[in-house]
Amino acid sequence: RKEVEQDPGPFNVPEGATVAFNCTYSNSASQSFFWYRQDCRKEPKLLMSVYSSGNEDGRFTAQLNRASQYISLLIRDSKLSDSATYLCVVKNFNKFYFGSGTKLNVKP
Amino acid sequence: EAGVAQSPRYKIIEKRQSVAFWCNPISGHATLYWYQQILGQGPKLLIQFQNNGVVDDSQLPKDRFSAERLKGVDSTLKIQPAKLEDSAVYLCACTSTRDEQYFGPGTRLTVT
Repeated sequence: RKEVEQDPGPFNVPEGATVAFNCTYSNSASQSFFWYRQDCRKEPKLLMSVYSSGNEDGRFTAQLNRASQYISLLIRDSKLSDSATYLCVVKNFNKFYFGSGTKLNVKP
Repeated sequence: EAGVAQSPRYKIIEKRQSVAFWCNPISGHATLYWYQQILGQGPKLLIQFQNNGVVDDSQLPKDRFSAERLKGVDSTLKIQPAKLEDSAVYLCACTSTRDEQYFGPGTRLTVT
């Protein structure tokens, strides 16, 4: 079983839509959680850390559900520039595990 | 602050040749990672350094891959001999005290 699993998508949404991605992780002892954004042929860049209480940064909201072992990312009012692959990252015992990413296409 | 530097950005070699990649992390970031990212997949850890010591190299194919970080700053990753399946992007990253990883632009390797 993979440490981190994501729906690869693609999610095709119109501008202004709200879209949500989930990511599941297998190790209940996982300590830290993150969402990264990766544009085509670019390196991953940190989008946001995910805290137990959930956190929001502008149009982006991340939540953690430890009981069900998943994290989520909600994007409101999608922009064309949000088109990218979103990588879920989980840290266990000093080691980072990456999901394969969820591809988002925002259409005009 | 300056980001993570990597070179070269692109490399094309024939199978069985050797290749080396270089990484210079953000100043003061003690932990350095090398990842391999194959198209359509997430980055896979090859090796992790804490200062100049190896923390984890369990997924490094040691028969052909080697890495070093002699002075605890910059690092090199070498492949010798290369195979077709080594074609990938090799990413170097370092972490801040808050576990946030910062990636370099990567080296895109094509093995023909």
